[in-house]
Amino acid sequence: DAGVTQSPTHLIKTRGQHVTLRCSPISGHKSVSWYQQVLGQGPQFIFQYYEKEERGRGNFPDRFSARQFPNYSSELNVNALLLGDSALYLCASSSQGVQDTEAFFGQGTRLTVV
Amino acid sequence: AQTVTQSQPEMSVQEAETVTLSCTYDTSESDYYLFWYKQPPSRQMILVIRQEAYKQQNATENRFSVNFQKAAKSFSLKISDSQLGDAAMYFCAYPRAQKLVFGQGTRLTINP
Repeated sequence: DAGVTQSPTHLIKTRGQHVTLRCSPISGHKSVSWYQQVLGQGPQFIFQYYEKEERGRGNFPDRFSARQFPNYSSELNVNALLLGDSALYLCASSSQGVQDTEAFFGQGTRLTVV
Repeated sequence: AQTVTQSQPEMSVQEAETVTLSCTYDTSESDYYLFWYKQPPSRQMILVIRQEAYKQQNATENRFSVNFQKAAKSFSLKISDSQLGDAAMYFCAYPRAQKLVFGQGTRLTINP
């Protein structure tokens, strides 16, 4: 079975541009979460979607948005990119929430803003 | 606020030796889970071990075990018979309100 897949793996954007990151969860998983991991730090929670509804949002500006599609795949969108948005963006899927079930992570998208 | 603290930014150990990574957390909950994740250079987070707070017995997965001290809110990871493939960043994580709260991580180096 395929694991969590994220695309693209690497991305270079210019300040002020917009970016869309994509995530396909493990088959059968209905929950997708997004995390931002700045170099040298632990991942920070951005969004969680379950059954296409937003269930949680971290302390990120409105420039960050996401959605989940009927097939449970998800997109993370970031507008008006800043240099500080350079990070590894991780997607995690789980069968339900993350309280007691394992979250499976993709390999991430490395975003560089120049 | 729930926080997770890993006080060791870096650790190193000789191959085949034992190493312990520390983690403390803050919560007002009485029933919860705790996780240790491994992040190798490939960047993919992999679950190493999980502990249920209501279980007094420490979790064990092959060479990996935890020392869970609920009253002290401490959750350390012990790696026995360290192998070169254990080299990675290790993150302690606490699930809260449908999100994982991660510590800052510990970079583990294995010396051959």
